[in-house]
Amino acid sequence: DAGVTQSPTHLIKTRGQQVTLRCSPKSGHDTVSWYQQALGQGPQFIFQYYEEEERQRGNFPDRFSGHQFPNYSSELNVNALLLGDSALYLCASSPGTSGTQFFGPGTRLTVL
Amino acid sequence: GQQLNQSPQSMFIQEGEDVSMNCTSSSIFNTWLWYKQDPGEGPVLLIALYKAGELTSNGRLTAQFGITRKDSFLNISASIPSDVGIYFCAGPEGGSRLTFGEGTQLTVNP
Repeated sequence: DAGVTQSPTHLIKTRGQQVTLRCSPKSGHDTVSWYQQALGQGPQFIFQYYEEEERQRGNFPDRFSGHQFPNYSSELNVNALLLGDSALYLCASSPGTSGTQFFGPGTRLTVL
Repeated sequence: GQQLNQSPQSMFIQEGEDVSMNCTSSSIFNTWLWYKQDPGEGPVLLIALYKAGELTSNGRLTAQFGITRKDSFLNISASIPSDVGIYFCAGPEGGSRLTFGEGTQLTVNP
């Protein structure tokens, strides 16, 4: 039973560029949430997708957008990258919007 | 949003010792989750608590959901080197968005 998978593992971009991160949820899970984790801090909620729609959103600018596909996988897009966007981006999946969340290994984004 | 205060921030213990850490909130949570995160990895769920007063074990780990619904505790008995990592408490806010504590960094000296 595959857990949550994310790609790529690492990514290096320059300021102003755009990036797309991908996530496949755990088998049987239909809800995907995205978190940003800066070094030395706990994860911060970005948004959650269920039934291909954004259901909840944290305190992140519109530069952060996402998508969920019919197979429940999801993408996180970040436009106009800033140095401060450098972080570990975590995807979590759950069975339904109120289920316990299981995390993937994360994508380490470095913005130069 | 809600804030979770986790303590201690860090712990340095000898192998074999017991460990205790806690998490408090200014608001009520209906679920408490405890995760462990190794460097460069995603958080791994250790224990989930769904009911006030609930005491749940997972091997050498035991966690409790405080009866006030505003706190939770995690205990690790007979620590071993592989217990090293950062432990986070988390609770769902507004349905399902998780709010995390700042983490407890655990170091175990062999």
